[in-house]
Amino acid sequence: EAQVTQNPRYLITVTGKKLTVTCSQNMNHEYMSWYRQDPGLGLRQIYYSMNVEVTDKGDVPEGYKVSRKEKRNFPLILESPSPNQTSLYFCASRAWGGFGTEAFFGQGTRLTVV
Amino acid sequence: GENVEQHPSTLSVQEGDSAVIKCTYSDSASNYFPWYKQELGKRPQLIIDIRSNVGEKKDQRIAVTLNKTAKHFSLHITETQPEDSAVYFCAASGTGNQFYFGTGTSLTVIP
Repeated sequence: EAQVTQNPRYLITVTGKKLTVTCSQNMNHEYMSWYRQDPGLGLRQIYYSMNVEVTDKGDVPEGYKVSRKEKRNFPLILESPSPNQTSLYFCASRAWGGFGTEAFFGQGTRLTVV
Repeated sequence: GENVEQHPSTLSVQEGDSAVIKCTYSDSASNYFPWYKQELGKRPQLIIDIRSNVGEKKDQRIAVTLNKTAKHFSLHITETQPEDSAVYFCAASGTGNQFYFGTGTSLTVIP
């Protein structure tokens, strides 16, 4: 089954404690991205990657890191989480297409930073 | 970069009525406009999309229209049903392939 898998689904952590949210896709998609979803603000892109070893900042990258060492995995790293990073996070993947292709989303990770 | 605005932010309709959600975009190079539906506690999922070489697309009760000159596109849902209740997001994508999402519309269909 084609899917994007995120882990964990829920996470409560304390300020400053490094954490990683994993994302894996089995569709051989080139393009992967991370979004955060906050009430009234929609889905805002944090980072994206067009292929292995190629990453770039989205609209809200401050406080986040990513890596793309393998095509299927795109982890999101919060090195020193702060309460303003409490949010719902989604990973998504897409095939690379000149005219736009469907994005497939993971199940979401609800992060609370206290 | 691209700026996508979406209206209204909330919408309530009676079951069987139609619902219309509108989005505008700023970058004339955008050429792909998907719509995603997010049910409560679930992930966003694509329901319909349109490319800039087409003015309208329909899939059963759902249709999307695109006006490239005015830079706006709309989602139309006819004969609404309670299971249509969800948050709907529009998005625009162009050169660079990034998606820029609207802020979402919470649709409630009242039985």
